[in-house]
Amino acid sequence: EVQLLESGGGLVQPGGSLRLSCVASGFTFSSYAMSWVRQAPGKGLEWVSGITDSGSSAFYADSVRGRFTISSDYSRNTLYLQMNSLRVEDTAVYYCAKILRGWSFDYWGQGTLVTVSS
Amino acid sequence: IVMTQSPATLSVSPGERATLSCRASQSVSSDLAWYQQKPGQAPRLLIYGASTRATGIPARFSGSGSGTEFTLTISSLQSEDFAVYYCQQYNNRPVTFGQGTRLEIK
Repeated sequence: EVQLLESGGGLVQPGGSLRLSCVASGFTFSSYAMSWVRQAPGKGLEWVSGITDSGSSAFYADSVRGRFTISSDYSRNTLYLQMNSLRVEDTAVYYCAKILRGWSFDYWGQGTLVTVSS
Repeated sequence: IVMTQSPATLSVSPGERATLSCRASQSVSSDLAWYQQKPGQAPRLLIYGASTRATGIPARFSGSGSGTEFTLTISSLQSEDFAVYYCQQYNNRPVTFGQGTRLEIK
């Protein structure tokens, strides 16, 4: 059974940093591209970042490029999102998601809430 | 690519058919997925490739369309189908989602 378990969310002040983690199980982690998708309170879904299988390439939404960094540790089956220079508008539930065909997402974690506020 | 869903809210009675629409601002070929999201839960993939049901998705869910116009049809609504539905294009990066259609009980 595929499972994705996020952690690392919390309350942080504007300009601060957080690192999110997503532990994957039930599939060969290194064989699949992975992604982060966020959802602001009461709003829709926004793709944030993605990384190809084996970590060869990373991609970012314009809204986070230069501030967020996605990475994978294949020895730990873990996806990360390092978030720096956080803004109030980064407040959201962050989901990690496994990529199926193209960049559709067939499995999602339960999400971790990031709140940026002073 | 901007994805526009209509209507924003759809009220349908259980047992009836629901038809949800999604339009892309430019062609996305068949690189279109549909997701269902219930309150407090993560999205669930229903359809990918515009018309292929994901693993474990009941046959009452069907997708159609290509290019810029897409439809999700739920043939006979069950109580568990009342939720928010999102379309997503993955033909071009950044992948983008529609704003969602809320399917509510009439």
